[in-house]
Amino acid sequence: GAGVSQSPSNKVTEKGKDVELRCDPISGHTALYWYRQSLGQGLEFLIYFQGNSAPDKSGLPSDRFSAERTGGSVSTLTIQRTQQEDSAVYLCASSFHAETQYFGPGTRLLVL
Amino acid sequence: DQQVKQNSPSLSVQEGRISILNCDYTNSMFDYFLWYKKYPAEGPTFLISISSIKDKNEDGRFTVFLNKSAKHLSLHIVPSQPGDSAVYFCAASVARAGSYQLTFGKGTKLSVIP
Repeated sequence: GAGVSQSPSNKVTEKGKDVELRCDPISGHTALYWYRQSLGQGLEFLIYFQGNSAPDKSGLPSDRFSAERTGGSVSTLTIQRTQQEDSAVYLCASSFHAETQYFGPGTRLLVL
Repeated sequence: DQQVKQNSPSLSVQEGRISILNCDYTNSMFDYFLWYKKYPAEGPTFLISISSIKDKNEDGRFTVFLNKSAKHLSLHIVPSQPGDSAVYFCAASVARAGSYQLTFGKGTKLSVIP
């Protein structure tokens, strides 16, 4: 079956612009996660959605970052007023059995 | 403060030999551990996991060992194959807390030499 998909695969934007990144989880997966990987770093947790529960936003680095998950499926990560330090690979993962997360290919964001 | 550490940024192994990738953690609340493999320009691929109630889990050529007293886990790949060349990430979670967010190490780049 189809895996986790993300779009766009690459995004170049200017400092100060807003960007939206999209994630389509594996069908039937109830949990959805966003992570980012900056150059030379491990993956950093951003936000977690589980069913209809309130999301765990504890990893969001600033109030410029927000995410929503519509209808318990597709999720959008929005970064407002982008900064150069936001440049990273943004990865989405989904899971059914919550311990094992399956990742998408990521969106490579470059803020100039 | 890094809670999950992979102290070797790279490792080279001859084809057919054993690859041993190491990972240390500091948070004693972690109760679930995973290894992911990542090729360039792709997302991480789940390899194998282990719960803190076990000390070993095996899946084909891959075995993960957990030493809770030392807060150390390792991934053994036997025999190593050139296709195993990738970056390997160790990850941990506090599964019983219900959030399942993963804390990752910075990765170890494995090169298997034919």
